[in-house]
Amino acid sequence: EPEVTQTPSHQVTQMGQEVILRCVPISNHLYFYWYRQILGQKVEFLVSFYNNEISEKSEIFDDQFSVERPDGSNFTLKIRSTKLEDSAMYFCASSDRRGVVHSPLHFGNGTRLTVT
Amino acid sequence: EDQVTQSPEALRLQEGESSSLNCSYTVSGLRGLFWYRQDPGKGPEFLFTLYSAGEEKEKERLKATLTKKESFLHITAPKPEDSATYLCAVQAGGDSNYQLIWGAGTKLIIKP
Repeated sequence: EPEVTQTPSHQVTQMGQEVILRCVPISNHLYFYWYRQILGQKVEFLVSFYNNEISEKSEIFDDQFSVERPDGSNFTLKIRSTKLEDSAMYFCASSDRRGVVHSPLHFGNGTRLTVT
Repeated sequence: EDQVTQSPEALRLQEGESSSLNCSYTVSGLRGLFWYRQDPGKGPEFLFTLYSAGEEKEKERLKATLTKKESFLHITAPKPEDSATYLCAVQAGGDSNYQLIWGAGTKLIIKP
């Protein structure tokens, strides 16, 4: 069964450094998302991406964050200058269609980002 | 403000002991309610979508139901492999087309 893959599984970085989290969505999916989950807290929406542009973003997704689909398969999340509070599990997700109601999201297994 | 609340936070059951998990929501116009399962260290795995009050969906030992204010995930004769965190998420109407609003989850532990 096709799956969403994320790399690395764990990233440790120092405060102020830039990180890039990578995702390969399911190949025939058109809608891509980043979510994050701080340990013990709710899953939080960051951004959605369709047709090579951001469709929607949350308040969390400030100027420190950016997303890119550099080629036909990868989808990346960049954090320019990491803060301690960026430590979380970051999930990439994709879906194959958008209607009035969300189609089911397929999630990767996440990248655990630890900022020291 | 749109909100999703799940209860209980954690639930311990003996194998075979049926029970229900609750997801209550207050949103401006429900478009869809989603149930996901999350295993430790993994991403959420889709289980069900419910669109309107009165709707029910089943998969193996799980059955999801929806009213105008809440959804229940009923688990019948659970097995240890059903142990996981069950997440509820809601897509609200209004201007937001892509965001899902998530509950905090119910951690289900099934003891053999």
